[in-house]
Amino acid sequence: ETGVTQSPTHLIKTRGQQVTLRCSSQSGHNTVSWYQQALGQGPQFIFQYYREEENGRGNFPPRFSGLQFPNYSSELNVNALELDDSALYLCASSDTSGGADEQFFGPGTRLTVL
Amino acid sequence: AQKITQTQPGMFVQEKEAVTLDCTYDTSDPSYGLFWYKQPSSGEMIFLIYQGSYDQQNATEGRYSLNFQKARKSANLVISASQLGDSAMYFCAMRESSRNTGKLIFGQGTTLQVKP
Repeated sequence: ETGVTQSPTHLIKTRGQQVTLRCSSQSGHNTVSWYQQALGQGPQFIFQYYREEENGRGNFPPRFSGLQFPNYSSELNVNALELDDSALYLCASSDTSGGADEQFFGPGTRLTVL
Repeated sequence: AQKITQTQPGMFVQEKEAVTLDCTYDTSDPSYGLFWYKQPSSGEMIFLIYQGSYDQQNATEGRYSLNFQKARKSANLVISASQLGDSAMYFCAMRESSRNTGKLIFGQGTTLQVKP
């Protein structure tokens, strides 16, 4: 069973640029959630995708957008990067047909905006 | 508003001893789930244990147990027989079942250091 994978592991961008982060969900999982974790803080929910549709969104501006593909992998896109977007971005997958809805997290992508 | 509070920014424990990490939560939803995750310095969030709001028994997973006190809205994590590899950041999180989004609300975390 393959776990959740994310790419790239590290990324450096400059203010105003655009970035795309990728996530492959765990085998059999149909739901992907994205979280932003600033240094020293707990993760903050960005949004969730279920069967290629956005299914819930946190308090993030529209320049944070996403996609989910038929194989349940997902992308997080951030436009017009700001310095405060520097964070660890975590992707989590789950099988929402199950009971506990346990979310399995990937290793994250560390984004630095200069 | 839904909220998770972890009041211990940092904790120390001697190897082989037990330690309790505190977590309190606030929600008006009668159906919810509580989770604990471990985050080593590498960054990956590792699932440890889950407790459903209607579960009658406290959850246990190996050396981890969850002390669930529903009336007090607390869900403390107990780690028995601490090991050096337990040194990490620990997060308590809540999911409200009725919202059907799977959104997890995390606390600020507690850094645990295990001393040899």
